[in-house]
Amino acid sequence: EVQLVESGGAVVQPGGSLRLSCAPSGFTFEDYTMHWVRQAPGKGLEWVSIISWDGRNTYYADSMKDRFTISRDNSKNSLYLQMQSLTTEDSAFYYCVRAARGGDAFDLWGQGTMVTVSS
Amino acid sequence: SYELTQPLSVSVALGQTARISCGGNNIENRNVHWYQQKPGQAPVLVIYRNTNRPSGIPERFSGSNSGNTATLTISRAQAGDEAAYYCQVWDSLTAIFGGGTKLTVL
Repeated sequence: EVQLVESGGAVVQPGGSLRLSCAPSGFTFEDYTMHWVRQAPGKGLEWVSIISWDGRNTYYADSMKDRFTISRDNSKNSLYLQMQSLTTEDSAFYYCVRAARGGDAFDLWGQGTMVTVSS
Repeated sequence: SYELTQPLSVSVALGQTARISCGGNNIENRNVHWYQQKPGQAPVLVIYRNTNRPSGIPERFSGSNSGNTATLTISRAQAGDEAAYYCQVWDSLTAIFGGGTKLTVL
């Protein structure tokens, strides 16, 4: 089955750090650009970051640029999001997302992992 | 930065046609993608590059893009189409989402 499974969501205190993981299956992971997209409870979708197929190129939304780091390990079939200096505004479901062939639509989404930043 | 404007909610009678708009400056010059998100579920791509349907998406879903407005059209609306719908474009290296439209099927 073609799917993405996120893990690592947790309750963390403001100022803390967290690492999310995503495990793809059913397709050749290294062939695809990948993204993280987040959604605060009851709110809309917000793009977080992109990483090229080989991990060499990354980009971030402005509000996360200096705090989040996206990475991947194609040998382990894994995508990661390292988050630091978390604030309550980072509380959200974080989705691992695959870019469609041609690159500009999001054609496969994980079920998401919840990050709650609270004291 | 580029902004996308969607109505907060749209209602449609069962079996009728729903149209959800996505406004943006000269949006016709951009590829617009549409996602459906049902409560408690992850989003699903329903239209990509303005008019294209992924495999498995019913023909009742169609898209258009002209001028300053892109439109998602759902024909013969069913109860199962009740969901939030989001449009999305790229602005330089940043993905931009509209605020989302809640579709209610009456």
